[in-house]
Amino acid sequence: GQQVMQIPQYQHVQEGEDFTTYCNSSTTLSNIQWYKQRPGGHPVFLIQLVKSGEVKKQKRLTFQFGEAKKNSSLHITATQTTDVGTYFCAGVWGTYKYIFGTGTRLKVLA
Amino acid sequence: SQTIHQWPATLVQPVGSPLSLECTVEGTSNPNLYWYRQAAGRGLQLLFYSVGIGQISSEVPQNLSASRPQDRQFILSSKKLLLSDSGFYLCAWSLRGTYEQYFGPGTRLTVT
Repeated sequence: GQQVMQIPQYQHVQEGEDFTTYCNSSTTLSNIQWYKQRPGGHPVFLIQLVKSGEVKKQKRLTFQFGEAKKNSSLHITATQTTDVGTYFCAGVWGTYKYIFGTGTRLKVLA
Repeated sequence: SQTIHQWPATLVQPVGSPLSLECTVEGTSNPNLYWYRQAAGRGLQLLFYSVGIGQISSEVPQNLSASRPQDRQFILSSKKLLLSDSGFYLCAWSLRGTYEQYFGPGTRLTVT
């Protein structure tokens, strides 16, 4: 079946360092979304990428969608303690067929 | 603005007991509705989605079922819980024709 692998599983960084998480899908996606889940909380929508090669920025966050629409990345510049949480990608294929990645848990050390 | 409610927040149930979790959305009409399960420290697994009243699509075979008796109400049920049903159950909605999902606060279910 379809899978979305996400790496790394965990990442510890010093505050101010950069962070990147990667998603790879076994199938071509119609779009991909990114969510953030704080410890004990629920996922919160961050962004959606639709076009091949698309790049979007939100302040210190940069999101990319691969040319083949099978991979994506989230890069955070100069992490802050407020960035702590688990970041999930969610690939969409077909009609309302969502596959969530396994998530990357980010810890930021002050 | 739109709001999504889930209850209860936490639930401890014995094996073999029934389950009913409810989700309601306010401030929008004809939303797509979704039920997910998240095992501890894991990703989200889509269980059911609905594009309208009485329309339910199941993504994973299990002993759970879903119903949508009203436009903005989504219910997750089980007749007999298994230990493996423990987890964090999340309801989400999206606008019709879009894919951005907005999640409720979730229900933490422990089956003992």
